[in-house]
Amino acid sequence: KQEVTQIPAALSVPEGENLVLNCSFTDSAIYNLQWFRQDPGKGLTSLLLIQSSQREQTSGRLNASLDKSSGRSTLYIAASQPGDSATYLCAGRGSKDSSYKLIFGSGTRLLVRP
Amino acid sequence: NAGVTQTPKFQVLKTGQSMTLQCAQDMNHEYMSWYRQDPGMGLRLIHYSVGAGITDQGEVPNGYNVSRSTTEDFPLRLLSAAPSQTSVYFCASSSPDRANSPLHFGNGTRLTVT
Repeated sequence: KQEVTQIPAALSVPEGENLVLNCSFTDSAIYNLQWFRQDPGKGLTSLLLIQSSQREQTSGRLNASLDKSSGRSTLYIAASQPGDSATYLCAGRGSKDSSYKLIFGSGTRLLVRP
Repeated sequence: NAGVTQTPKFQVLKTGQSMTLQCAQDMNHEYMSWYRQDPGMGLRLIHYSVGAGITDQGEVPNGYNVSRSTTEDFPLRLLSAAPSQTSVYFCASSSPDRANSPLHFGNGTRLTVT
């Protein structure tokens, strides 16, 4: 059974710092992995989707990597800004799962201090 | 662009009452799903649908019913609400291209059952 873990649960950094959020998964038979952002009281916004055949995806200041062999994905945020403060969740979609279900981590709550 | 729209945003029910959570999407997505988000439990799949007339159970389907009469709408019904169903409910949609399609979420319905 696929399990997704995110460490740390919370992170506080000063503005301008580059940071890395970690996501680990137990089953390497993963179809794709997505990173989401959730603001308080809001839904989830998809940031990046990495297919199993890819190693990384980039969007602006965000870069996500995927290493299936080690069961890890990282989200790199460059030059962090207070507006980046939110909870970041990763979620994996299994290749053998017909329900298209995403298995979510519990998230990392990020605070970027001005 | 409306995307995924959920109504109501907030709801308080008494134990035993019934209600329907509404979800509509205007992106012509064939796949729609319902998740619940609980502290410490992450997001868990309740029911999903891969097209009009087709529904199936997810990870935690007990106490919930769904139907999919149109591509646009995917309502979630609570037949007899219980305090354990207090949660935040999210509707999400995507195209069936599992490798390339991010999941789009609504802003959620916050349900309290007393």
